[in-house]
Amino acid sequence: EDKVVQSPLSLVVHEGDTVTLNCSYEVTNFRSLLWYKQEKKAPTFLFMLTSSGIEKKSGRLSSILDKKELFSILNITATQTGDSAVYLCAVRTDKLIFGTGTRLQVFP
Amino acid sequence: DADVTQTPRNRITKTGKRIMLECSQTKGHDRMYWYRQDPGLGLRLIYYSFDVKDINKGEISDGYSVSRQAQAKFSLSLESAIPNQTALYFCATSVGSGANVLTFGAGSRLTVL
Repeated sequence: EDKVVQSPLSLVVHEGDTVTLNCSYEVTNFRSLLWYKQEKKAPTFLFMLTSSGIEKKSGRLSSILDKKELFSILNITATQTGDSAVYLCAVRTDKLIFGTGTRLQVFP
Repeated sequence: DADVTQTPRNRITKTGKRIMLECSQTKGHDRMYWYRQDPGLGLRLIYYSFDVKDINKGEISDGYSVSRQAQAKFSLSLESAIPNQTALYFCATSVGSGANVLTFGAGSRLTVL
């Protein structure tokens, strides 16, 4: 059975800290891995990764995929209170399989 | 206006009632999806449709049905709602080729008493 596991389940940090969110997967027919940010309601797209070792970067957020070890990490540097959200990892096979998410809380 | 619109946004109903959640999109995407989100369980796929004549069950389709009335409209029905269907429901869309990145609606919170 395909599965996507995220860790930690929740994380509480202070502004300015750097955080690393983990996503590991066991699936057949891997096509891509996606990261979403969910604040109040709808998840919004952050990154899509298809190749190992190529870092995707957007401002203070970056992500990388390791297809040999079957995981991805999402890094957020110099965190701000606006980064508080649930971060969802999803793996695309013939459909999209979501992890349970990591809840990040950033306090001033 | 939002690209993916869900109605209603919030609904409280009683066990046994029939409920329909509607989704419409202006993105011109051919693929549409219904997910439910429960605390600690992430997003789980209920049904998906790759075009108007294509309907597929997801991992948790029991107790639900869908209708793809047009390319832009995809509705989810609960024929006889039960309390464990209390959840946040999301409609999503994607293009038929390429990255398949989902665009989500704002969600419909359903409470079944």
